[in-house]
Amino acid sequence: ETGVTQSPTHLIKTRGQQVTLRCSSQSGHNTVSWYQQALGQGPQFIFQYYREEENGRGNFPPRFSGLQFPNYSSELNVNALELDDSALYLCASSLVGHQNTEAFFGQGTRLTVV
Amino acid sequence: DQQVKQNSPSLSVQEGRISILNCDYTNSMFDYFLWYKKYPAEGPTFLISISSIKDKNEDGRFTVFLNKSAKHLSLHIVPSQPGDSAVYFCAAMNYGGSQGNLIFGKGTKLSVKP
Repeated sequence: ETGVTQSPTHLIKTRGQQVTLRCSSQSGHNTVSWYQQALGQGPQFIFQYYREEENGRGNFPPRFSGLQFPNYSSELNVNALELDDSALYLCASSLVGHQNTEAFFGQGTRLTVV
Repeated sequence: DQQVKQNSPSLSVQEGRISILNCDYTNSMFDYFLWYKKYPAEGPTFLISISSIKDKNEDGRFTVFLNKSAKHLSLHIVPSQPGDSAVYFCAAMNYGGSQGNLIFGKGTKLSVKP
């Protein structure tokens, strides 16, 4: 059973650029959620994807967008990067409809915007 | 407006003693609560959960208590071990809502001293 993997682990971007972060879900899971964790804060929900469609969104602007693929892997895209987008981005997978609803997290991607 | 609050940023405990981490929530729609542990440079790891229909759930050294009337939950670790040193996040969700949409507290950093 493979876990949740994210790539890259670190990257540095310039303000105004665009970035794509990737996530491979845990085997057997059909739902992917993305979270942003700023320094000293808990993770904040960005959005969730189920069956390749967005299935819930937190308080993030439209320049945060995502995709889920048929193999349940996912991408998080952020356009027009701002300095405040610097954070740890976490991907979590879970199985919708299963009694145990805990989400399993990847190790995260540390994004620095300069 | 924080819906999940962990008011103690840090806690230091002697090895072998009990660690008690506290969490308060404001949203009465939350019906499922989870604790995650996070080491540096890793994603959060699921620890233990509790449904709102229960007031206690135990798993080995870890026990979570839920007081719905007070909107308070706590995580007890007995006995505490140096390997338990990590940041602990309390999270809540509305099971009937979007699964994977976890609302996290800011975390409590636990240090267990030998």
